[in-house]
Amino acid sequence: SQQGEEDPQALSIQEGENATMNCSYKTSINNLQWYRQNSGRGLVHLILIRSNEREKHSGRLRVTLDTSKKSSSLLITASRAADTASYFCATWVEGNQFYFGTGTSLTVIP
Amino acid sequence: ETGVTQTPRHLVMGMTNKKSLKCEQHLGHNAMYWYKQSAKKPLELMFVYNFKEQTENNSVPSRFSPECPNSSHLFLHLHTLQPEDSALYLCASKLAGGSYNEQFFGPGTRLTVL
Repeated sequence: SQQGEEDPQALSIQEGENATMNCSYKTSINNLQWYRQNSGRGLVHLILIRSNEREKHSGRLRVTLDTSKKSSSLLITASRAADTASYFCATWVEGNQFYFGTGTSLTVIP
Repeated sequence: ETGVTQTPRHLVMGMTNKKSLKCEQHLGHNAMYWYKQSAKKPLELMFVYNFKEQTENNSVPSRFSPECPNSSHLFLHLHTLQPEDSALYLCASKLAGGSYNEQFFGPGTRLTVL
């Protein structure tokens, strides 16, 4: 399988703290994307990092990519209650499809 | 809103029923996807359409039948489903041919098979 796997499966933090979640994948990739899903809703794209990039920022989000370890991390700084959601990494390998992981469920306690 | 709509949002059906899920996008995308999302499982890609042609069918049972009449509309026809088919069915679209293009997801149809 070429699926990504997120770690941890669930994370609970206090508002204002930072949240870090990790993604590991199995094969070489062109890029890796992170998506967020609010309960029972569709996924929303957050950020994309290319295979030749090591770090990328977007607002309170910071993504790193280590292709030698086949892993990526998503850091959300100064978390808010509205950040409560599931977060998925998606890898693009060949063809026209993404492979998604099982997700990290983040709960931010006000 | 992402620009991708799905109807119905909720569907309850018996195992002998026939129903259809509809997905619509007016984002100018030319690739459309059906995913199945079950609890504690990775998002499962079911079908991919590029320029209205089916390019992927990930070993999906024949009780699921996709249809893509044009680049803006995608259907998933359902018949004689099983209780284990209960899940959130997500439609997504993107510009084809670019691995750096993001997917835009609809809100999903929550399907319950009795």
